[in-house]
Amino acid sequence: QQPVQSPQAVILREGEDAVINCSSSKALYSVHWYRQKHGEAPVFLMILLKGGEQKGHDKISASFNEKKQQSSLYLTASQLSYSGTYFCGTERGLIPLTNSGSARQLTFGSGTQLTVLP
Amino acid sequence: EAGVAQSPRYKIIEKRQSVAFWCNPISGHATLYWYQQILGQGPKLLIQFQNNGVVDDSQLPKDRFSAERLKGVDSTLKIQPAKLEDSAVYLCASSSSINTGELFFGEGSRLTVL
Repeated sequence: QQPVQSPQAVILREGEDAVINCSSSKALYSVHWYRQKHGEAPVFLMILLKGGEQKGHDKISASFNEKKQQSSLYLTASQLSYSGTYFCGTERGLIPLTNSGSARQLTFGSGTQLTVLP
Repeated sequence: EAGVAQSPRYKIIEKRQSVAFWCNPISGHATLYWYQQILGQGPKLLIQFQNNGVVDDSQLPKDRFSAERLKGVDSTLKIQPAKLEDSAVYLCASSSSINTGELFFGEGSRLTVL
């Protein structure tokens, strides 16, 4: 089931902060965040595993509230380079393989378009 | 390290024609994914391979779409016959380790069906 992202779009000035939310109606194993610039491939930002952890990457950080099945991506002091579409990808669990081991599978949200203006 | 390679980058066909997309994942990556991304939407998984076996193809429209990953390396996604609603970017991604979970995407193949 596809996670729900909000807001759909954000426009802010360089140096301002933004928060992007991702929620699921089902229990989650992990949440992944990707950024896609126009005409380019999505690029991995970070993964958060259940356990309510919070991660940071430069001025971009994220949290995962396992009880609420929600994740939030925080962009602090936005830079022009932060512009793009942000997708959350969710996992409900690992997929067992018939020949032992397991695999991962992401279901992506519809994205949040972030525009940072000078 | 070379990234995920896809071709062609762009393809324009008429409805009912066929098209094939090719993907070469990062060397050593066991897991390969094909996603369909319609304009303004998030990537939707079509099929997932682990080496040369199919892990999940539940969202692949099997009456018109087919995919294979011979020898567990390169993969081909075929559409025959194409419909107008197949217009999208077809993204290939690969992953090396279940522990990291990071997907490496190719730049995609943009299909326009007229």
